[in-house]
Amino acid sequence: ETGVTQSPTHLIKTRGQQVTLRCSSQSGHNTVSWYQQALGQGPQFIFQYYREEENGRGNFPPRFSGLQFPNYSSELNVNALELDDSALYLCASSSIQIMNTEAFFGQGTRLTVV
Amino acid sequence: AQRVTQPEKLLSVFKGAPVELKCNYSYSGSPELFWYVQYSRQRLQLLLRHISRESIKGFTADLNKGETSFHLKKPFAQEEDSAMYYCALRGHSGYSTLTFGKGTMLLVSP
Repeated sequence: ETGVTQSPTHLIKTRGQQVTLRCSSQSGHNTVSWYQQALGQGPQFIFQYYREEENGRGNFPPRFSGLQFPNYSSELNVNALELDDSALYLCASSSIQIMNTEAFFGQGTRLTVV
Repeated sequence: AQRVTQPEKLLSVFKGAPVELKCNYSYSGSPELFWYVQYSRQRLQLLLRHISRESIKGFTADLNKGETSFHLKKPFAQEEDSAMYYCALRGHSGYSTLTFGKGTMLLVSP
């Protein structure tokens, strides 16, 4: 599949634990953005990665961190999980060189913190 | 700060009725506006964008800079239009990220 894929699809963690979510970008895309979608809310921007560096960040604390690899795939890491971190985490890939580029979304990882 | 407001959480109409999903935005500049749709059990996908000025699945949206609105319209709703609709804005802050509204659930009844 050449679309955006995320793993795992569902995850249950205990408060205080750490979690890593993964995203494979669409073929030909070099930019990955992560969003948090709480229940009943729209997606909220966490951060974006381009050329393996953080290229922008939303209003999220430092315990939310990420990585981008040479193949443009990405990880989202969350330390010291809190109950409010329970949400759907979406990854979107795009190509920063293409003007007016469209972002393609993965199906998301549903994280539940108990 | 950029903000997107979708005032309706739920819009329920009968098949064949006109539909208008409202979206207002706040941004100091010329943003790009988008409508994304999420059908049941499917991923978020782009429906249309204001720069394309095209109609997708019978939906259109016009950017009104004076009213800072980007309402989504369809003259005759179909049952398969039932989905969650998100209005989104992309500013020009040096990176291409989206600010989403809270979404409107459209339910089209037979």
